Amino acid sequence: QSVLTQPPSVSAAPGQKVTISCSGSSSNIGNNYVSWYQQFPGTAPKLLIYDNDKRPSGIPDRFSGSKSGTSGTLDITGLQAGDEADYYCGTWDSSLSAVFGGGTKLTVL
Amino acid sequence: QLQLHESGPGLVKPSDTLSLTCTVSGGSMSRSFYYWGWIRQPPGKGLEWIGSTSSSGSAYYKPSLVNRVTISVDTSSNQFSLRLTSVTATDTAVYYCARLDGLFPPDYWGQGTLVIVSS
Repeated sequence: QSVLTQPPSVSAAPGQKVTISCSGSSSNIGNNYVSWYQQFPGTAPKLLIYDNDKRPSGIPDRFSGSKSGTSGTLDITGLQAGDEADYYCGTWDSSLSAVFGGGTKLTVL
Repeated sequence: QLQLHESGPGLVKPSDTLSLTCTVSGGSMSRSFYYWGWIRQPPGKGLEWIGSTSSSGSAYYKPSLVNRVTISVDTSSNQFSLRLTSVTATDTAVYYCARLDGLFPPDYWGQGTLVIVSS
């Protein structure tokens, strides 16, 4: 069981918007930055969002992140078939360790 | 462009020690700001942070693994290593090495290496 809670799956049609939530506590998200990762089958995760809402170079602005209290959110707009992947949130925890969510499988209908 | 590459045995016997090395290219490990860590992913499951260490040796480990894990850095060879003792089948996973921007997040990842624990 993961420290951070994500929905197991989300789905939406091409061109639509999808939101993935990541719920934590004051021990982790509430006092630290949230980051998001995209993982395709058989490949390493890729950093999508860091410091709650910043995008690394090369990440399209269709991907955006936010944080409110003890929860983080990843929004993907203009959904494309190539966005179908697993998405993970992560953050630092007061136990002096990093924690991840259980992952969310995005299906593009 | 920074690149990381894991190497080590793909099969380890139960109760033995798992040892992996990550070779970093395209940049120096000696900058103290970055941490160097290991993250694993059991087949079909999510990501699990194992631990990370700075080039100066300041290390953090997942509390449930702290008694079995050691991460060490060799800046002279631009490598860092993972050592996990007393392994069981539950340690079977793809192991990723990563550079961390400060304590978190991991911003560069290796391709991953599958380690199976089996007799």
